[in-house]
Amino acid sequence: DGGITQSPKYLFRKEGQNVTLSCEQNLNHDAMYWYRQDPGQGLRLIYYSQIVNDFQKGDIAEGYSVSREKKESFPLTVTSAQKNPTAFYLCATRERLGTDTQYFGPGTRLTVL
Amino acid sequence: EDQVTQSPEALRLQEGESSSLNCSYTVSGLRGLFWYRQDPGKGPEFLFTLYSAGEEKEKERLKATLTKKESFLHITAPKPEDSATYLCAVQERAAGNKLTFGGGTRVLVKP
Repeated sequence: DGGITQSPKYLFRKEGQNVTLSCEQNLNHDAMYWYRQDPGQGLRLIYYSQIVNDFQKGDIAEGYSVSREKKESFPLTVTSAQKNPTAFYLCATRERLGTDTQYFGPGTRLTVL
Repeated sequence: EDQVTQSPEALRLQEGESSSLNCSYTVSGLRGLFWYRQDPGKGPEFLFTLYSAGEEKEKERLKATLTKKESFLHITAPKPEDSATYLCAVQERAAGNKLTFGGGTRVLVKP
């Protein structure tokens, strides 16, 4: 079954803790993205990667880190430096250079207690 | 800076009552405009991509149109299963593959 998987679906974290969100895809897509969604606001880009071992900051990268060691995986770490981490996090993929459409995973809801 | 504004923020419709959602945008050079549907607690589902003014795309009861300053998503004779949040996003030519999203329109279709 092809697609994008994000885990866990719900995540709770205490203040001051780092936490890593998983995003895996078996679509053989080249590019992967992380977005954050807050109530009443549009999706905002955190980081993106167009190729393995390379990634770029998006509009709101502060307090987050990523890695892209494998084509299939693009984990996002929310660090203790992120001041307001409670949000819905969405991973997306795009097939290859020259294509435009991004496809989204099911999301992870992170709550900081 | 790219800006995308969607209106209205929320829309309540009776089943069968057609309506339109608006997405107005400000971008230096538009590469593409995207519509997504999002159900509560789920990831956005891709609907359409529009590239040039005058272009139209249709899927079941949904029809998307594009002008130089805005896009409309027309919902014809909606059913309760069309209830969702509809998201609009733009991609600027010079911005690589970055998308800028609007805040969305929440649509509720009552039977």
